[in-house]
Amino acid sequence: DTEVTQTPKHLVMGMTNKKSLKCEQHMGHRAMYWYKQKAKKPPELMFVYSYEKLSINESVPSRFSPECPNSSLLNLHLHALQPEDSALYLCASSSYRGNTEAFFGQGTRLTVV
Amino acid sequence: AQSVTQLGSHVSVSEGALVLLRCNYSSSVPPYLFWYVQYPNQGLQLLLKYTTGATLVKGINGFEAEFKKSETSFHLTKPSAHMSDAAEYFCAFEANQAGTALIFGKGTTLSVSS
Repeated sequence: DTEVTQTPKHLVMGMTNKKSLKCEQHMGHRAMYWYKQKAKKPPELMFVYSYEKLSINESVPSRFSPECPNSSLLNLHLHALQPEDSALYLCASSSYRGNTEAFFGQGTRLTVV
Repeated sequence: AQSVTQLGSHVSVSEGALVLLRCNYSSSVPPYLFWYVQYPNQGLQLLLKYTTGATLVKGINGFEAEFKKSETSFHLTKPSAHMSDAAEYFCAFEANQAGTALIFGKGTTLSVSS
């Protein structure tokens, strides 16, 4: 199984809602990532978890809250988002940092209304 | 600063023609370099990677890339384009250094005409 599974595929939420994005992999990878991608732009790194510990936070606003409950799961909790947060959110995993490719999920298309 | 630059935001070729997508990197430490492809409304798929060793790297779907340290380049090529190659291509870089993560170039849109 070389898949990274993201749910949901599409999400529409209001600015006062709380929602969560989920990501799961069963490749035994110990590094997991959240990226944000706007239309016609490259993915932008948000968070990196190594061995279930947050190792990189790219100055992401606190309305985005990551969580890594175990080595297979990665969540992104969303609260009080703004319309400009609408984007494709991509999860990725790799066996360890550097020297190996990252496997990407299909993404969650988020629309904030 | 460590970075990766893709030259040309849009490349158009005819079916059967050579595909050349350009990528240059800037790094003070040995780089790991990757090419990813993204089809509309999908995630990213790895085409090929360079870490160490052989500088000519072969990937999936007939693509290959050559790491040239003297030119700080990692250009992607395919001898004969196919209609199904039309997509967004990203060159990505990770420094062989603790505390770093994958950084993407701005991307190149490849169009293939019949």
